[in-house]
Amino acid sequence: SAVISQKPSRDICQRGTSLTIQCQVDSQVTMMFWYRQQPGQSLTLIATANQGSEATYESGFVIDKFPISRPNLTFSTLTVSNMSPEDSSIYLCSPETPGQEQFFGPGTRLTVL
Amino acid sequence: GNSVTQMEGPVTLSEEAFLTINCTYTATGYPSLFWYVQYPGEGLQLLLKATKADDKGSNKGFEATYRKETTSFHLEKGSVQVSDSAVYFCALKRNDYKLSFGAGTTVTVRA
Repeated sequence: SAVISQKPSRDICQRGTSLTIQCQVDSQVTMMFWYRQQPGQSLTLIATANQGSEATYESGFVIDKFPISRPNLTFSTLTVSNMSPEDSSIYLCSPETPGQEQFFGPGTRLTVL
Repeated sequence: GNSVTQMEGPVTLSEEAFLTINCTYTATGYPSLFWYVQYPGEGLQLLLKATKADDKGSNKGFEATYRKETTSFHLEKGSVQVSDSAVYFCALKRNDYKLSFGAGTTVTVRA
């Protein structure tokens, strides 16, 4: 399976600020998925990032709030903009894999005060 | 649309008890089905999978069988240990590679 790393692993931020989360994969992947796990909740897909095109967002998520970059096939970033306490979550990236398995990065645990 | 319905928790068991977590799904076509586990303070790990009807996924003593006729993928383990205490998520993979997750079931195993 691919080795997936995320930075930072955790952060505590003030409301109104922004945080950029990085996801690095040790192999080239076409699609990168970003998920959010709010406290005590399940995972919800935020958006899908393809290299060379705009990310596609799920219902309830918008580009102004969660801009995504995908500069190459091994890297992606998710920014959480103008944060509020409701954005406190674990954010996970998940690269598309050729097999059926779907693996996740270790997650970024964000707390917004 | 595609969705997963998972047994509500929390579930508390004694060691060596039998564990079942029910999972049913609604999907168009034939999705792949997964169970993920999240141990306290850790990330999400793939526990097992099944990609077609009647497939049985198994790992670490856990099993789940893809039942097309009942659209179910129940997770079972015959004898749980304290180390099995975790949150378990049932999920399906759509044709567009996106995952839909169940709500998660918190399992606590007491010595």
